[in-house]
Order: sequence, then structure tokens, then C-alpha cells
Amino acid sequence: EIVLTQSPGTLSLSPGERATLSCRASQTVSGTFLAWYQHKPGQAPRLLIYGASSRATGIPDRFSGSGSGTDFTLTISRLEPEDFAVYYCQHYGGSPIYSFGQGTKLEIK
Amino acid sequence: EVQLVESGGGLIQPGGSLRLSCAASGITFSNSVMIWVRQAPGKGLEWVSFVSGGGDQTYYADSVRGRFTISRDNSKNTLYLQMNTLRVDDTAIYYCAKGVRTLWEAFDIWGRGTMVTVSS
Repeated sequence: EIVLTQSPGTLSLSPGERATLSCRASQTVSGTFLAWYQHKPGQAPRLLIYGASSRATGIPDRFSGSGSGTDFTLTISRLEPEDFAVYYCQHYGGSPIYSFGQGTKLEIK
Repeated sequence: EVQLVESGGGLIQPGGSLRLSCAASGITFSNSVMIWVRQAPGKGLEWVSFVSGGGDQTYYADSVRGRFTISRDNSKNTLYLQMNTLRVDDTAIYYCAKGVRTLWEAFDIWGRGTMVTVSS
């Protein structure tokens, strides 16, 4: 079973700052199958990144993904007020076929 | 407009059954894999079930296998989740989501969810 562990649990930053969110897999995974989502209360989750580094349609270029093996990173280069939300990484493959990290809450400092 | 709209949630007693629906519009539904994901109160996202575009391949999380059944009607552009023998820990917002193009590994269109509350 592949377990995704996200860190930190909560990240407190100010608008304009850079955010770095981590997702660590319990075993080596293919970056092709690693995605990141943004989720705000009362809203549908939003796909940001798939294939570890490909931005989804309509996602601003301040969002970027990187990593390989067991360590993956979502970077928001310059935080906008609308970026404060919970972020999840997600993996496809293995058993269970899909798994999510526990989430990182990005809050306004 | 591209959208997914879930329905069918509500308050149900433990041991009861519910059927959730997810109506799709603005997409080529039959080409898309679909999943159900849930979020229990105060918790993160949990994958529940998967179905391929043709409906011939299905997968389930261990927590729901044998109790939940995923299906789809491509003629109606609708996804379903039949939930039987419901438990208190099935209480959650249930979301449906569509795979990116024909890919299986990420999901780019999500509904706003439907709340299921299992309580006596």
C-alpha cells in the first residue's frame, strides 16, 4: 500500500510570499501518476497539477509541481488571497488504486 | 457548460441504503473514467470507487468493498453509487469527478458534492 504523507500540516504565510508544500510517498512512485488539488470549503476540489509537473487547464503559472521517486513538491511562487485553501496530493496505481495525502492547510498569517 | 452535479444524499439510519447520482453535462461522458471521493467531517479526501468509460472495470476502497456498487449509464450521462449497509463512518460529503481526457491518473472536473449523514 502506498501512503502519501504531506507536510507541513498547516502553513501560515502572507500574500506575496512563496509557498512550498511537500508530499512524500512510502515507496518509489512514478511522477506520471502524481497530482495536486486545491480544495476550499463548500467548493469542488480543483485539479492544479498532474503528471507531477503539468499544469491543468486554466491554472495560473504561479503554481508549479516538481519531484520524483518518493518526494514531490507543489510550489506557489507568489501567494494571492484566493490561494489560501487545503492542498492534497494524490497518486494513481498500486493498492488501493488511488490514494490521497492527508492535506496541507495553507492559511493567512 | 461543463459540470457534474451530484444528488441523492440525505439522512439515513445505520444499515440503510442510498443511491447517489452524478449528472454530467458538457463533456464526452462515455470517454471518461469516473470516480467517487468522499470527505468525512473534519477529515481529508478519501477515494471511494472507480469506473472505466465503458463501465466494465470497477475498483473499490477496502472500506466500502462489498457494500457499495459503482455504475454508469452512458446513454443518460449519469454515474451512480449504490450504497448498502451504511455505517455511521460513511457520513461524508460525496463528490464525483471525471478523468482528464482519457487518462486514469488525475481528475479535472468535480461536482460540488452531496452530503450523506448516517445516524440513528
